[in-house]
Order: sequence, then C-alpha cells, then structure tokens
Amino acid sequence: ETGVTQSPTHLIKTRGQQVTLRCSSQSGHNTVSWYQQALGQGPQFIFQYYREEENGRGNFPPRFSGLQFPNYSSELNVNALELDDSALYLCASSRGTGDSRSSYEQYFGPGTRLTVT
Amino acid sequence: SQQGEEDPQALSIQEGENATMNCSYKTSINNLQWYRQNSGRGLVHLILIRSNEREKHSGRLRVTLDTSKKSSSLLITASRAADTASYFCATVTSGTYKYIFGTGTRLKVLA
Repeated sequence: ETGVTQSPTHLIKTRGQQVTLRCSSQSGHNTVSWYQQALGQGPQFIFQYYREEENGRGNFPPRFSGLQFPNYSSELNVNALELDDSALYLCASSRGTGDSRSSYEQYFGPGTRLTVT
Repeated sequence: SQQGEEDPQALSIQEGENATMNCSYKTSINNLQWYRQNSGRGLVHLILIRSNEREKHSGRLRVTLDTSKKSSSLLITASRAADTASYFCATVTSGTYKYIFGTGTRLKVLA
C-alpha cells in the first residue's frame, strides 16, 4: 500500500448538496492530483496542485474546486452535486519540480466512493 | 474524452502464459506510465518510460514505446493469478501537467 490516505471511504449525498473529500499525500511529495473514475472507465483528470497552486486542470466545471495546504494535503470540493458525479474519486501524490517535463510516477490513495441520489 | 486507448479491452489467459496489452495516444508526451488497479481500488504504479526511451524492464514487466506510432505495449511474462486486474496506460502531454488515462485492459489469469 502507498502512504496516501483518503477520507471518507464512502459517502452518500443528495443532488444539489456540497461535498468535501480529503487526501493526505505521501511523505516527501509536494504534488497532488485528483481524478474521477466512473464505473468501468479509466480515471479522468480533474486538477493538480503543486506547492498550494493549481497548475493543471481537466475538463471539469468550476463547481469542482480544490485546495492544497502547506503540509501538501489536499481537499476536493464539489458544489451543486449532480447524479453523474457518482463515482470513485482518487487522489494521487507525486514529487514535482515545477517543470512539466519532469513528471513523476504517482502514488494513489484507495479512493472515496461517492454516491449521489 | 480519453486520449489513451488500450487494446484489447479484455484478455483471459492461463497461468504461466504471457499477456500483452497495447496503448495508443494522440499527442506529444513527456512520458508514458502503466498502472494496475484491482477491483475498483486505488491504482498502483508499475513502470514509467520517458519519451526518449524505447524499452524498459522491471521484473516480469517489459514496456516498449514507439513515439512515431504514438503507441506503447506492456508485456507481462509468466503470468500469475495475482496479476488479474485492470491495466491502464497514462500519458503526460508535453508542456502540461495533465495526466490522461486510457480506458484500460481487464486481464484475467486463470489458475
């Protein structure tokens, strides 16, 4: 297992509500990425944080937002939940240098299973 | 939409046989990575190959990269039942930090 932890493990929310998911990165890692994985699909990149700044974003609407803290842990916030937001949310940490040519392997947490009813 | 496309979508083999899966992508990349996922859990990094490398080995894994064809292959030799999982390729588009995962190959190794 990696040193990346996520909470909560499972979550059930109602359409229109807001949710916050949390991730603690592996020791020594300064970069955190978030992914959404629908059943039977590959992970879809939401965004990445490097040293508390967002430095990359996928095709997700602004109601998906995030934060990275000085200890490099991170939060994913989703507002106005929709039924299609039901998915496994994965957090991954990695080393980073601020140079996109130096992308490193990612270490994934176990995920948070979000169900929107 | 996903940039990477794995082929085949599903593969079933006997223990001891070799498994080969392929990945195609569309843009210039910094590197290509392969990951394994068991039963909808977190992904495990297997191997990273940089755009200036053509082949890489790690234990029973062999990865090739052909940037002219924008494709990669993952070979697992002497497969075991424990190799049963979904396998994904992921690329990092040049000049970005954006990881793009493929659709995955579901491998089943029969004991």
